[in-house]
Amino acid sequence: SQQGEEDPQALSIQEGENATMNCSYKTSINNLQWYRQNSGRGLVHLILIRSNEREKHSGRLRVTLDTSKKSSSLLITASRAADTASYFCATVSMVYSGGGADGLTFGKGTHLIIQP
Amino acid sequence: DGGITQSPKYLFRKEGQNVTLSCEQNLNHDAMYWYRQDPGQGLRLIYYSQIVNDFQKGDIAEGYSVSREKKESFPLTVTSAQKNPTAFYLCASSWLASGGANIQYFGAGTRLSVL
Repeated sequence: SQQGEEDPQALSIQEGENATMNCSYKTSINNLQWYRQNSGRGLVHLILIRSNEREKHSGRLRVTLDTSKKSSSLLITASRAADTASYFCATVSMVYSGGGADGLTFGKGTHLIIQP
Repeated sequence: DGGITQSPKYLFRKEGQNVTLSCEQNLNHDAMYWYRQDPGQGLRLIYYSQIVNDFQKGDIAEGYSVSREKKESFPLTVTSAQKNPTAFYLCASSWLASGGANIQYFGAGTRLSVL
């Protein structure tokens, strides 16, 4: 079963506006990651936030994590046409994250469209 | 996509046929992964490997097989037992990291269709 669920499923905004996507997950996690996927392509890692962190920034990206609500949000500020893509949150359950390799569990993604 | 090469980009399978998807990485990563993505869905883990000659089943391993004879290579075979193979297949690799902080690097994917 999928661990994370992104909301909304689709989002269309004007260039220059901010875009906010949310992710909810089910089990306790060690960290949460956000990835971007351009249409028909592989995924690109954007940012990782650990369970003991509440907020993290990377360029125009801001990620928050609320472990009590089992939720995270990704904010993209000053959006650009090139930000058009699907965005996925991904987690590793603490049950499995004992070190080494762990497959990520992905949500279904938010499809973001930036209108020029 | 850098550093991970998947081939072919498009693949067609006939009924009862096994097909093999290639994944090669030059990032010197220890771990490699195979995911399946269906339209409008997230990725689901098929198999993963932490070390040469060792691999573990993911959430949807039935109908698939893998091998890890070299650190750089992790081919996926979609067998005839997989009744619904049409999907987008993504290979990824990562360093081994404690605490599950394994940032994964993805290939460009292989789109498999059934004839």
